[in-house]
Amino acid sequence: QLQLLESGPGLVKPSETLFLTCSVSGGSVRGDSWSWIRQTPGKGLEWIGYLYYTGRINYNPSLKTRVTISADQSKNQVSLTLNSVTAADTAVYYCARARGGQLLRLDAWGQGTLVTVSS
Amino acid sequence: QSVLTQPPSVSAAPGEKVTISCSGHRSNIGNNYVSWFQQFPGTAPKLLIFDNDKGHSGSPDRFSGSKSGTSATLDISGLQTADEADYYCAVWDSTLNVVVFGGGTRLTVL
Repeated sequence: QLQLLESGPGLVKPSETLFLTCSVSGGSVRGDSWSWIRQTPGKGLEWIGYLYYTGRINYNPSLKTRVTISADQSKNQVSLTLNSVTAADTAVYYCARARGGQLLRLDAWGQGTLVTVSS
Repeated sequence: QSVLTQPPSVSAAPGEKVTISCSGHRSNIGNNYVSWFQQFPGTAPKLLIFDNDKGHSGSPDRFSGSKSGTSATLDISGLQTADEADYYCAVWDSTLNVVVFGGGTRLTVL
């Protein structure tokens, strides 16, 4: 059974860079497609981006200048890098698999990791 | 304010049927596939429906989805208290080039 586990720093200072990893077990990052989504009480669910199994990546235009999604096959992880964070980036961050490369067939999710941006 | 509009809350009695609506535009629901997710407090969303009306394996048959024009609906029949959760619709928006989520609907089973 596919399992995803996000990990990250928990607390990040404003203007710094956030780096999160999503460790995949019971499957391989290679040949599958992955999304990052975040959730805040105020804005609800927000799609961050999508790494297609071919290597193509789509980013949310509102985050595109600050975000990078990549996969490390040797570690079987998907990562998220978000630059120049502000308090507005405080959220629970989820990674999810997009089964069959279908963008919204998000059939497996991690438990989420809370990231707080504060000095 | 979400691009997709869902009622903030719905309620019904156990055993009854409830419908949750998701209203959008031609650029999203009108031309793309809708998914529905269920979320319990403190946990990650779970896929219920994808491609408008396809049930995710493991989702009870009591959950069904449909789409007409620029609106989508999630029907839950034979309501159980365990169905109390938040429900979200999601779809690709071809104009904004982004996945958009509805604001979510809190289901209360009275």
